[in-house]
Amino acid sequence: SQTIHQWPATLVQPVGSPLSLECTVEGTSNPNLYWYRQAAGRGLQLLFYSIGIDQISSEVPQNLSASRPQDRQFILSSKKLLLSDSGFYLCAWSLSGGNYGYTFGSGTRLTVV
Amino acid sequence: GDSVTQMEGPVTLSEEAFLTINCTYTATGYPSLFWYVQYPGEGLQLLLKATKADDKGSNKGFEATYRKETTSFHLEKGSVQVSDSAVYFCALSRNYGQNFVFGPGTRLSVLP
Repeated sequence: SQTIHQWPATLVQPVGSPLSLECTVEGTSNPNLYWYRQAAGRGLQLLFYSIGIDQISSEVPQNLSASRPQDRQFILSSKKLLLSDSGFYLCAWSLSGGNYGYTFGSGTRLTVV
Repeated sequence: GDSVTQMEGPVTLSEEAFLTINCTYTATGYPSLFWYVQYPGEGLQLLLKATKADDKGSNKGFEATYRKETTSFHLEKGSVQVSDSAVYFCALSRNYGQNFVFGPGTRLSVLP
């Protein structure tokens, strides 16, 4: 069966520090991968999606970047965090083709102080 | 562009009450429709889905029917439990599972 792992679960970082959040998927090949952010009390905002290795699409210009160095690994990064980067970050995967829905990771709660 | 609208929350109900969370969408063509649930401190879980008009998705006592004529996908449950307290997201996908569009979410609190 397919599983998705996201870590860390919580993170407190100072303003100006770098960020690296990792997401890996097991049990499937060539998944579509996504990073979402959920700000406090708000809905989901799609940040990046990827349909293959080194193929990244950015939905919202911002302080963040994403990379997909391997088929089932998706990394969210920042060189210098801002206070506004605080939020709940969710990784998700879906099959490439067919309306099967997304499977989400358990999320990372990032607090920038 | 595509969009999903949900009823404003929070919704507060007593245990065993009937639940309806309204969801309407705007999209060209025939999107697939989904309900996701987010329990406190967790990621989102797929609750149910429907891929064509008049389909009914169901899971854990929740139901939603894809109504093309009213562009709606309202979530219902006949008798809610305290454990149903969560945030519920309506979503659509127009492109075979890529690039979902999520509604803003509706927070449900069920009191004992």
